[in-house]
Amino acid sequence: AIQMTQSPSSLSASVGDRVTITCRASQGFRDDLNWFQQKPGKAPKLLIYAASTLQKGVPSRFSGSGSGTDFTLTISSLQPEDFATYYCLQDYTYPYTFGQGTKLEIK
Amino acid sequence: QVQLVDSGGGVVQPGRSRRLSCAASGFTFSSHGMHWVRQAPGKGLEWVAVISYDGSAEYYADSVKGRFTISRDNSKNTLYLQMNSLRPEDTAVYYCAKDRSLKGLGEPDYWGQGTLVTVSS
Repeated sequence: AIQMTQSPSSLSASVGDRVTITCRASQGFRDDLNWFQQKPGKAPKLLIYAASTLQKGVPSRFSGSGSGTDFTLTISSLQPEDFATYYCLQDYTYPYTFGQGTKLEIK
Repeated sequence: QVQLVDSGGGVVQPGRSRRLSCAASGFTFSSHGMHWVRQAPGKGLEWVAVISYDGSAEYYADSVKGRFTISRDNSKNTLYLQMNSLRPEDTAVYYCAKDRSLKGLGEPDYWGQGTLVTVSS
């Protein structure tokens, strides 16, 4: 199975900051990488699919990039509602695998 | 709008079985693959299984292969997860999720609210 390693595991930032979360795959693929946001007690929400395509209704401050083994999620200007846990998911091959998550906290 | 309602969770003894259901509405259920994803208490997300729009293809995580079976009833707009030989490490919130692709298999987009399965004696 492809291993997905996210970094950092946790991150403290302030409203207005620009933050970047990285996901590294144990083997490369083109763009079969997705990003999810999860708030406590809630189901995950799809933010970005195919590495860089914004899901409908997701604010444009979220963006994704990358291919091969290295992918990034960037939030250009953090808003209070963005403090949550973020996960990457590869859907290149079965079994699909998630990264371990990045908890984004308020500084 | 898309709605997915997970049900069937509860406390179950190790070695026993449980069937989860997911009632879908707000989209053409028979045109989309469906996923199960779980989350152990305080832990990250783990993809469990996927079934194609017509039920002709199924794929599983290694941790559940041979014990869990995903299925669907397109006439009832309902997804199922039959869980056999349950272990304490299967304790988790189980989410069903709709696949974003039309008649293909890709990433999950809309998710249910989850149902908690606790495996304990």
